[in-house]
Amino acid sequence: DVKVTQSSRYLVKRTGEKVFLECVQDMDHENMFWYRQDPGLGLRLIYFSYDVKMKEKGDIPEGYSVSREKKERFSLILESASTNQTSMYLCASSFRGGKTDTQYFGPGTRLTVL
Amino acid sequence: AQTVTQSQPEMSVQEAETVTLSCTYDTSENNYYLFWYKQPPSRQMILVIRQEAYKQQNATENRFSVNFQKAAKSFSLKISDSQLGDTAMYFCAFMTYFGNEKLTFGTGTRLTIIP
Repeated sequence: DVKVTQSSRYLVKRTGEKVFLECVQDMDHENMFWYRQDPGLGLRLIYFSYDVKMKEKGDIPEGYSVSREKKERFSLILESASTNQTSMYLCASSFRGGKTDTQYFGPGTRLTVL
Repeated sequence: AQTVTQSQPEMSVQEAETVTLSCTYDTSENNYYLFWYKQPPSRQMILVIRQEAYKQQNATENRFSVNFQKAAKSFSLKISDSQLGDTAMYFCAFMTYFGNEKLTFGTGTRLTIIP
């Protein structure tokens, strides 16, 4: 079974802190994604990566950056956390070229910024 | 840019009944993929069913089936003989045929199955 794990289920940070959210997948997937999920807004893509050291902006990249130094790991970074970044963050991965293949999702990290 | 609209924020249905969740989308492309994902309470998102736009036949997976109307840009999900385990958020999603493999999601429908 594909496993996508995220470093924390719940995280509480203070405004201005630097926050790292980690995602690891064990199926040698090329593609990895970071989404943000908010009630009434669904899932919105923040950043995605289709290879090591490659990244592309999604629909809402402002205030976020990412890092992919190894194929299995994709990190989301909030350089200076703000209260409007309080949200559920979901990581996903998929094979490159597998259009009809599903994206496999992690359990999510619920981040609260105080 | 593609958009996906789910007009039913919440639905509820009695156990064993049939329920249909609506999804419409907007695209100028002719070839694309459509998906329904399920997110149970406090559990991970999983794929329910997928449809390739170039296929006329509607996809079916056990109790789950879709009604794909390409001209109307509509992609509804029908759940037959609903079960308590079907209680979840359901998201409709779109992927382009060409280009990168990212999904565009709708806002979701919260479905509750009542015992």
